[in-house]
Amino acid sequence: NAGVTQTPKFRILKIGQSMTLQCAQDMNHNYMYWYRQDPGMGLKLIYYSVGAGITDKGEVPNGYNVSRSTTEDFPLRLELAAPSQTSVYFCASSIGPEETQYFGPGTRLLVL
Amino acid sequence: DQQVKQNSPSLSVQEGRISILNCDYTNSMFDYFLWYKKYPAEGPTFLISISSIKDKNEDGRFTVFLNKSAKHLSLHIVPSQPGDSAVYFCAASAYHSGAGSYQLTFGKGTKLSVIP
Repeated sequence: NAGVTQTPKFRILKIGQSMTLQCAQDMNHNYMYWYRQDPGMGLKLIYYSVGAGITDKGEVPNGYNVSRSTTEDFPLRLELAAPSQTSVYFCASSIGPEETQYFGPGTRLLVL
Repeated sequence: DQQVKQNSPSLSVQEGRISILNCDYTNSMFDYFLWYKKYPAEGPTFLISISSIKDKNEDGRFTVFLNKSAKHLSLHIVPSQPGDSAVYFCAASAYHSGAGSYQLTFGKGTKLSVIP
C-alpha cells in the first residue's frame, strides 16, 4: 500500500493564480482531511470529508474548496492564491471518525 | 484561543534518559488524545493515544499519562534514542455537533533532540 500520497511536493504560485493540490489514499478509508501547518504552529483543519460526495468545513476553510467524487481522491482547490496561503498542506485519511489519521508527506506552497 | 497547548517549543535530552513532553488543554469536551511524531519534510505519524476514560496507556518505550482534573497529559519516552529526535504534536479530539463529526485540534509541537 502506498498509503496517502500528495502531489506536488512543492509549488510556487503568484498572487491570484489558482491550483489544485492532489491527495489520494489506497486504504479504502471513508474519512479524509486537509490541514495546513504554518511555521511554528500546529496543524489546522481546512476541510474534511466523511465519504464520497460529502464534505464539510473545518477551522480555516476560507480561500479553499474541496470535492470528493471517489473514496480514493480528495483534491484541495485554491482559487485566488494569497500570500497568507503560504504554508505546508497535509492530507490525511482515517477509517472512521475517531480513528487514527494517516498523513501524506505534505505539499509546500509558496505564494509570492 | 489555543485549546491545546504545548508550552515547551523544544527539549534536549541525553540518550538513555527519559524524555517528558507535556500538553495542556482547555476544552473539557475533548475525549480522546493522541501524540503524533513528525520528521522534517514528512507528514506526521501516529505514535500513541489515550481515551479520556483511562489515565495511562503504554506502548513499548512510550507511555502517555492523562490527568483529566488538571486537563494535562504527558508523553514519556524511556529510554530516549537519537532516532526519537523529531517534533511531537499533541492532539485532542472532540465531537463537533455543527459539523456532525469528530475533529482533531493540534498543539504547536515540541521539538525533541536526543543527544548521543
